[in-house]
Amino acid sequence: KAGVTQTPRYLIKTRGQQVTLSCSPISGHRSVSWYQQTPGQGLQFLFEYFSETQRNKGNFPGRFSGRQFSNSRSEMNVSTLELGDSALYLCASSGGQGGYGYTFGSGTRLTVV
Amino acid sequence: AQSVTQLGSHVSVSEGALVLLRCNYSSSVPPYLFWYVQYPNQGLQLLLKYTSAATLVKGINGFEAEFKKSETSFHLTKPSAHMSDAAEYFCAVTQNEGGKLIFGQGTELSVKP
Repeated sequence: KAGVTQTPRYLIKTRGQQVTLSCSPISGHRSVSWYQQTPGQGLQFLFEYFSETQRNKGNFPGRFSGRQFSNSRSEMNVSTLELGDSALYLCASSGGQGGYGYTFGSGTRLTVV
Repeated sequence: AQSVTQLGSHVSVSEGALVLLRCNYSSSVPPYLFWYVQYPNQGLQLLLKYTSAATLVKGINGFEAEFKKSETSFHLTKPSAHMSDAAEYFCAVTQNEGGKLIFGQGTELSVKP
């Protein structure tokens, strides 16, 4: 069974640009959630999609957005990049809620210069 | 609101010694609890999870954790540390809130030969 696939693995962008990250969940999983990991703030929840609908959202500015397609693949977009957006962005998929568990991808390392 | 506190941002043990990583949680309802491990430049790998089926949970790589409701704790243990256990460990909690995991700040485990 293939795991959660995130592309690209590494990305370097300039301040003010926008970026799109991709996440393909485990086959059959309909829930995809996104997290930002930084040394200072740790792991923070961005949002979660289930069956193409955003079901939950964390405390991030509107520059951070996402979507989910009918095949459950998800994309995350960050517009007008700031230096502070440099982070490891992790995606997780789940086949159910709560105690079902979440499987994480290897992440996309975004560096904003 | 839910929260997770991991006591000790860095723990160092000798190879073969007991590993104990501490996690305390705050939750108004019975939670689901998880321990994840992260190796450098990698995503998160699930070690074990508590879903109310049993208070002592066994996970992969010889790790286990015990849920103690009276102490609101979910400490991770391993009887004998191996060099390959050196990594960062995260405790997380969720209340079935649509993909939203709340993480602790992480504990970096070092294993000395």
